[in-house]
Amino acid sequence: EIVMTQSPATLSVSPGERATLSCRASQRISSNLAWYQQKPGQAPRLLIYDASTRATGIPARFSGRGSGTEFTLTISSLQSEDFAVYYCQQCNDWPLLTFGGGTKVEI
Amino acid sequence: EVQLVESGGGLVQPGRSLRLSCAASGFTFDDYAMHWVRQGPGKGLEWVSGITWNSASIGYADSVEGRFTISRDNAKNSLHLQMSSLRTEDTALYFCAKGRHNSGYDGFDYWGQGTLVTVSS
Repeated sequence: EIVMTQSPATLSVSPGERATLSCRASQRISSNLAWYQQKPGQAPRLLIYDASTRATGIPARFSGRGSGTEFTLTISSLQSEDFAVYYCQQCNDWPLLTFGGGTKVEI
Repeated sequence: EVQLVESGGGLVQPGRSLRLSCAASGFTFDDYAMHWVRQGPGKGLEWVSGITWNSASIGYADSVEGRFTISRDNAKNSLHLQMSSLRTEDTALYFCAKGRHNSGYDGFDYWGQGTLVTVSS
């Protein structure tokens, strides 16, 4: 099983600041990585797929980078609606997919 | 508009079985892989199981392998998860999610609101 490790567990930032979230895979996964945002009481929302492609309707302030084992999600200027938990997911090891433990972005 | 509506959750005793369903609409169901993802109370996301468009390839998390069975009925636009030998650690909100493509090698672009499964004596 590919283990996905996200860091930090919690990121404290102010509105308007830049946030960088990290995700590391225990094995190489090419660019087969997705990022999700989840707010309390809501289902997750797809932000990024193929490591760097924004999903439909996702603002340009969200960007993803990386390949192999190291990945980052950057939110260029945090808006109030961006405070949430973010998860990465590897999609390379089908039929065994795995999520990271999540990073909570808080004020 | 894509809609995924889960049903079948509830309170069940350890060792018993439960069957979850997901009714899909707003897209061509048999063009896409489908998945179940769960979230325990206060915990992160855990992929549970997935199935390709034609049911030719199926996957399970190690934690449910041998106890859960995923299936789909493309004629009825529905996804199912048969859960047996349930354990207290299976207590979670279970989400149905649509894959971006017909294979399992991609993210999930639409999610339902979940159905709650509580395993307790």
